[in-house]
Amino acid sequence: DTGVSQNPRHKITKRGQNVTFRCDPISEHNRLYWYRQTLGQGPEFLTYFQNEAQLEKSRLLSDRFSAERPKGSFSTLEIQRTEQGDSAMYLCASNHARPNEKLFFGSGTQLSVL
Amino acid sequence: QKEVEQDPGPLSVPEGAIVSLNCTYSNSAFQYFMWYRQYSRKGPELLMYTYSSGNKEDGRFTAQVDKSSKYISLFIRDSQPSDSATYLCAMSSNAGGTSYGKLTFGQGTILTVHP
Repeated sequence: DTGVSQNPRHKITKRGQNVTFRCDPISEHNRLYWYRQTLGQGPEFLTYFQNEAQLEKSRLLSDRFSAERPKGSFSTLEIQRTEQGDSAMYLCASNHARPNEKLFFGSGTQLSVL
Repeated sequence: QKEVEQDPGPLSVPEGAIVSLNCTYSNSAFQYFMWYRQYSRKGPELLMYTYSSGNKEDGRFTAQVDKSSKYISLFIRDSQPSDSATYLCAMSSNAGGTSYGKLTFGQGTILTVHP
């Protein structure tokens, strides 16, 4: 499978716990994006990396959220002290850092905070 | 007010119908326009993309962009039950050279095509 891979597909956690998601982009893509999608809404941009550098973070990304891409390949998104409002689908996407390069999404990690 | 407005529907049509999906936007900096299709519990899949104003056709799908009116449309001809999904419009201003990457999405329109 050469698409964007996300793990786990589903995560159920209790409020206050920490969770971590992983994204493996398409192998030759050097840009990686994280989006969040709540029920009945379109995805919202959270942050993106070019290689290992995190180039932009949305104001939606509170201090409890941290994303890394240590070797410019896979990325992790960690949420500390989860809140019920964090319940959403977390989507990862990737593309090349070239003009007019289209974005390809993974199937997402569905987070439920109880 | 959201930067991108999209009627959430739901929209239900018979097989073979022509479907029209629309979005309006307020940010004049948007230059790249896309339509994604999303099936339940899956990530969005890119259907169509256009740069600036104009029309683009791909099989049964036609995308139109009218920048003067800040209005984009997707038409689906001869709709099929397999077209049943959520359709999301998305836009980008190419800030930082992210053209099709850093996107602002509409709310999504739920489409059902019944046999």
